[in-house]
Formats: sequence, structure tokens, C-alpha cells
Amino acid sequence: GDSVTQMEGPVTLSEEAFLTINCTYTATGYPSLFWYVQYPGEGLQLLLKATKADDKGSNKGFEATYRKETTSFHLEKGSVQVSDSAVYFCALSSSNSNSGYALNFGKGTSLLVT
Amino acid sequence: ETGVTQSPTHLIKTRGQQVTLRCSSQSGHNTVSWYQQALGQGPQFIFQYYREEENGRGNFPPRFSGLQFPNYSSELNVNALELDDSALYLCASSLKQGAPSYEQYFGPGTRLTVT
Repeated sequence: GDSVTQMEGPVTLSEEAFLTINCTYTATGYPSLFWYVQYPGEGLQLLLKATKADDKGSNKGFEATYRKETTSFHLEKGSVQVSDSAVYFCALSSSNSNSGYALNFGKGTSLLVT
Repeated sequence: ETGVTQSPTHLIKTRGQQVTLRCSSQSGHNTVSWYQQALGQGPQFIFQYYREEENGRGNFPPRFSGLQFPNYSSELNVNALELDDSALYLCASSLKQGAPSYEQYFGPGTRLTVT
């Protein structure tokens, strides 16, 4: 079945450092890919998305490119801030006769910026 | 535009009891999905409702059931609560069903503790 694998955390960075969080996926068909962010004690917020190969999603300085050849959707940011401290989830959505258009999430990567 | 709201915020129940969680979808959205997020884990899909019908279901037992109302709000019911049901329950709404690229918008969640 469809699945998402994220790098294990926690990731600890100094302010203004470069961030990469790796995400790879397994899916049949052509999924859409998402990054969600969860701040402490809150629900999930959509950070960015890409719907087809070579699409680049971007928002608030974060970027991710849909790479079909490597089945990856790595999240990057050039200069992180303390306010970026949160848990980041990679997710995919694909049609399935049993699960409709459910989101399939990775386990999350905790980021702490000091 | 009102976002997704959920109630209650927190809930404590005893093993064997039943619980109902509620969700109001974002204005104009007609699809609601429910997810269970255990501590330190990613959300797991429970089921999805589209125009008051169950549209898909994840790997959860039948004691997890739901409803969607004509105004697209939704309920999640869990019978015979078990300790492992302790989790954050997230509701997400979306604008249309029929394409995997549609975005889901999440509420703040209900934290359920089963003792």
C-alpha cells in the first residue's frame, strides 16, 4: 500500500541554518504530496503541496520539489528561525477504493531551532 | 471565513464507555475526514464522509463510527473505549471530492484520554 517515510528526528539547528527534512514515498498511480506543520498543542497546518512530477511547492520560505524518479519530496528552507520550531509531516494523497482520498502521513520530524 | 472547529477540546473517559466528538467543517466544504494521532506519531486515517455518506475507511474496527449532517458538520463515535484509544482526534474538511490534489484543512483536535 501507499506509504511515506521521513527522516527521524529530532533535528536541532541554530537560527539562520539551512534545513533539509527528507521524505520518500511509495505509491501506485500519481499521488499528490504535501507538507504539514504542527505547532505544540495545535492541529495541522498545510505548509505546501505539489500535485505532479517536477512541481515545486513553496510557502513562508519553505520549498519542496516532487521528484518522481527518486520518489522524494524533501523539505528545505534556507534560513530557519526560532518560530519554525514544530513537528513537520510529509503526506501523500491518492485515490483508493477503500479509503477515498485519505492523507497518508509519515511519522513526523521534530525541529528545534535555538 | 470560519475555519474547522472541534469540540470538546479535552475529554477524559473510562474504559468501556462511549464517546462522541464533534466537528464543524470550514464554510463551503462538503467532505470531512477523521484522523487519530497517537502521541509522537503521524495521524492515521479513520474514515471520510462526502455528502453524508461514508466515502472511505482506514484500518479501524467497527466500534469507530461516524455521521455527516446536511450542513456538512460531522460526529465521530467510539464505543467500548480501550486504553489504546487515547489520542488526539483530528477532523479535516475539504472543498471537493474527486481529485487527490484537494487540500484538507484541519481543526485543532480533541484530546481523548481513556483511563
